[in-house]
Amino acid sequence: DTGVSQNPRHKITKRGQNVTFRCDPISEHNRLYWYRQTLGQGPEFLTYFQNEAQLEKSRLLSDRFSAERPKGSFSTLEIQRTEQGDSAMYLCASSYEVDRGSQPQHFGDGTRLSIL
Amino acid sequence: GENVEQHPSTLSVQEGDSAVIKCTYSDSASNYFPWYKQELGKRPQLIIDIRSNVGEKKDQRIAVTLNKTAKHFSLHITETQPEDSAVYFCAASLQGGSEKLVFGKGTKLTVNP
Repeated sequence: DTGVSQNPRHKITKRGQNVTFRCDPISEHNRLYWYRQTLGQGPEFLTYFQNEAQLEKSRLLSDRFSAERPKGSFSTLEIQRTEQGDSAMYLCASSYEVDRGSQPQHFGDGTRLSIL
Repeated sequence: GENVEQHPSTLSVQEGDSAVIKCTYSDSASNYFPWYKQELGKRPQLIIDIRSNVGEKKDQRIAVTLNKTAKHFSLHITETQPEDSAVYFCAASLQGGSEKLVFGKGTKLTVNP
């Protein structure tokens, strides 16, 4: 098991372009989370999936953002019409939910997005 | 919604000294409190966690204490080493719900040789 994997590690794009990131969670983990982290701040929750169902979205997730986890395994996060304020590190985490409590969340290395 | 305050924002200690980082949370329903260590350019790594049915937990040089009444929890690192230098984040979540983590703003710990 290699842990949570995210691709690409870095993405540089021009304002207005669309970008897509991928996250591969730890294989047996049924929960997958997306967070965003800006410089000098802690990660902020964006959305999470239980298997393939997206169960919660933060107010931070505008309608330009969409996330999917079609088969309950890997997930993609797409940002349309990127803006300068979207520049951040996008982190993915996964965990295994059992009954009324999960195992800890394990993070990937993130995708650093830079908007020119 | 949940809010987590973390102090101090920076902490500098001499090698061998102890370091203490404190966090407070707002949602009394929160019941799970992990601590993550993040080195520059790397992923947050879980170093220790505590659930609300426990007041203290220790793992070698690292310990966490929880005061549910006061809604605060602390990380204690003893016998600090230069490799402990990193940014430390506390977080809170509600187990049995979404379990999304709400993070503090982080503490940059520097351990001077």
